[in-house]
Amino acid sequence: NAGVTQTPKFQVLKTGQSMTLQCAQDMNHEYMSWYRQDPGMGLRLIHYSVGAGITDQGEVPNGYNVSRSTTEDFPLRLLSAAPSQTSVYFCASSRDGNTIYFGEGSWLTVV
Amino acid sequence: AQTVTQSQPEMSVQEAETVTLSCTYDTSESDYYLFWYKQPPSRQMILVIRQEAYKQQNATENRFSVNFQKAAKSFSLKISDSQLGDAAMYFCAYRSANFGNEKLTFGTGTRLTIIP
Repeated sequence: NAGVTQTPKFQVLKTGQSMTLQCAQDMNHEYMSWYRQDPGMGLRLIHYSVGAGITDQGEVPNGYNVSRSTTEDFPLRLLSAAPSQTSVYFCASSRDGNTIYFGEGSWLTVV
Repeated sequence: AQTVTQSQPEMSVQEAETVTLSCTYDTSESDYYLFWYKQPPSRQMILVIRQEAYKQQNATENRFSVNFQKAAKSFSLKISDSQLGDAAMYFCAYRSANFGNEKLTFGTGTRLTIIP
């Protein structure tokens, strides 16, 4: 049972490049979400999904896109990376919203 | 919108002693969940303890317990018999109990240092 798997763990991008952070869970959880963590701040919600085909914006959605074509996967896309998107990104999943499982984080640097 | 405030950016405690981390929150909802998460240097987010707002009894998990004061909107974490492995960032978080609203709102964290 792998839990929540995020790839890549580390990535360096140039300004304007695009990339996708992958997130997969093998627990058949309906709820999945993406957070970013910046120094001196708690985690902030980017986008979330309550099931396949359903997504919604969180607190800081600008510059990011998501889709949920399957229950297992919830990729986060950066269409045109900006230095302000340098952060640590966490994917999370939950069956019922009570116990939330986090991935190990993805370190993204935009230069 | 809900807010979560952790007013102690850093705390330290002697090994084997007890420490209390503070958290306050603001909400107009009556039913919700509160969490404490631990983030060690590896950055993995680890659930420490969870409290349902409709339960008056304070949650406990081994050496970890909470003091939940609903009227005061306070949710502190007490760590007893502190161990070196407890050193980490601790985040308080809030989640509405409304169906489909599993979004977590986090505080800014408290860095806990354990002094040997």
